[in-house]
Amino acid sequence: AQTVTQSQPEMSVQEAETVTLSCTYDTSESDYYLFWYKQPPSRQMILVIRQEAYKQQNATENRFSVNFQKAAKSFSLKISDSQLGDAAMYFCAYKRGGADGLTFGKGTHLIIQP
Amino acid sequence: DGGITQSPKYLFRKEGQNVTLSCEQNLNHDAMYWYRQDPGQGLRLIYYSQIVNDFQKGDIAEGYSVSREKKESFPLTVTSAQKNPTAFYLCASNLDGANVLTFGAGSRLTVL
Repeated sequence: AQTVTQSQPEMSVQEAETVTLSCTYDTSESDYYLFWYKQPPSRQMILVIRQEAYKQQNATENRFSVNFQKAAKSFSLKISDSQLGDAAMYFCAYKRGGADGLTFGKGTHLIIQP
Repeated sequence: DGGITQSPKYLFRKEGQNVTLSCEQNLNHDAMYWYRQDPGQGLRLIYYSQIVNDFQKGDIAEGYSVSREKKESFPLTVTSAQKNPTAFYLCASNLDGANVLTFGAGSRLTVL
């Protein structure tokens, strides 16, 4: 079975600084997808960024970027120029190809210090 | 606007009662999913369905049941057999081949 591990239950960063959230996963599949979802206090799950395993280039969405290390099974999220609105729970998730659901890590609570 | 609607947002239940959570989507997505979220546990998959009249158990299906009579609807019943039903429940859907899940706003179930 696939597992996703987020080793940082909580992280804190000063506004405008950069923070990196860690994620490792375990799988024997070759075709899969990795995601970071954000869950603010409203509890709505919001997709932040997605990475296809077959792509070597790291995904980027504005201030959010990933460091995808396939051999190491590592998928970290970097948030640049942190803003107060970035404060939330962040979940790393894995999905293999097909209709299977996502497997989630336990989340990292990100605090932004003004 | 297209999206996923979950209802009710808050639900209270007495022990021994079954309760059904509604999930409706107008995104024309093929697959639908139910997740349970507990503090410190992340999200865990209860059931999912790829097509109408077909569904598969996820990691924590015991004490839950689902149906998929229409493409748009995927209700979840929390039965009295579920030992610890108090949790936040999230419904999601996925367009076949897109490999990106869209989530509803969730339902909070509390057993009194």
